[in-house]
Amino acid sequence: NAGVTQTPKFQVLKTGQSMTLQCAQDMNHEYMSWYRQDPGMGLRLIHYSVGAGITDQGEVPNGYNVSRSTTEDFPLRLLSAAPSQTSVYFCASSYSRAPQGEQYFGPGTRLTVT
Amino acid sequence: AQKVTQAQTEISVVEKEDVTLDCVYETRDTTYYLFWYKQPPSGELVFLIRRNSFDEQNEISGRYSWNFQKSTSSFNFTITASQVVDSAVYFCALSEAREGAQKLVFGQGTRLTINP
Repeated sequence: NAGVTQTPKFQVLKTGQSMTLQCAQDMNHEYMSWYRQDPGMGLRLIHYSVGAGITDQGEVPNGYNVSRSTTEDFPLRLLSAAPSQTSVYFCASSYSRAPQGEQYFGPGTRLTVT
Repeated sequence: AQKVTQAQTEISVVEKEDVTLDCVYETRDTTYYLFWYKQPPSGELVFLIRRNSFDEQNEISGRYSWNFQKSTSSFNFTITASQVVDSAVYFCALSEAREGAQKLVFGQGTRLTINP
């Protein structure tokens, strides 16, 4: 199993550009989520999905869109990049949506918006 | 509102010393789950432990131990006889049962450096 994979590893965008961060898992996990990590703030939940076709907002959803058309994939779209979106983005998955589930994290995407 | 505080931003010790990472949480839910994750220099977060709010037993796994005290809303992590490979950022996190899904709230993280 590859686990949770994310592409790209690094990305530089100009303000106003759009892009999609890819996330895939091969563990047949029901639950997937996106977090952003900023210095001194830990990780914050952006969006999550409890199954194909079902998504919901987390703590910091503004400026981001998600969709879940398959169990395996959960892309994160930046509609119009802003410098405030400079961050490291982590995708995670879990076998169950249950609050006690163990999450498996991807290697992260480091995004810089200039 | 739920909140997790890791007051220690950075800790630096010499190898073989014992070190404790503090975690204090706030929640109004009676059923919740506490986690510790490790983020080594490679960047990927690795799950270490989960505790539910009804189980206050301390846990030991090799050199790692965790002390959960509901009375002080704390879930501290101790590494005994630290090693250079323990150098990482450690995150404490909270998940509330009433959310119906795992929506982790993370602390700010503690950067631990073990010097040889």
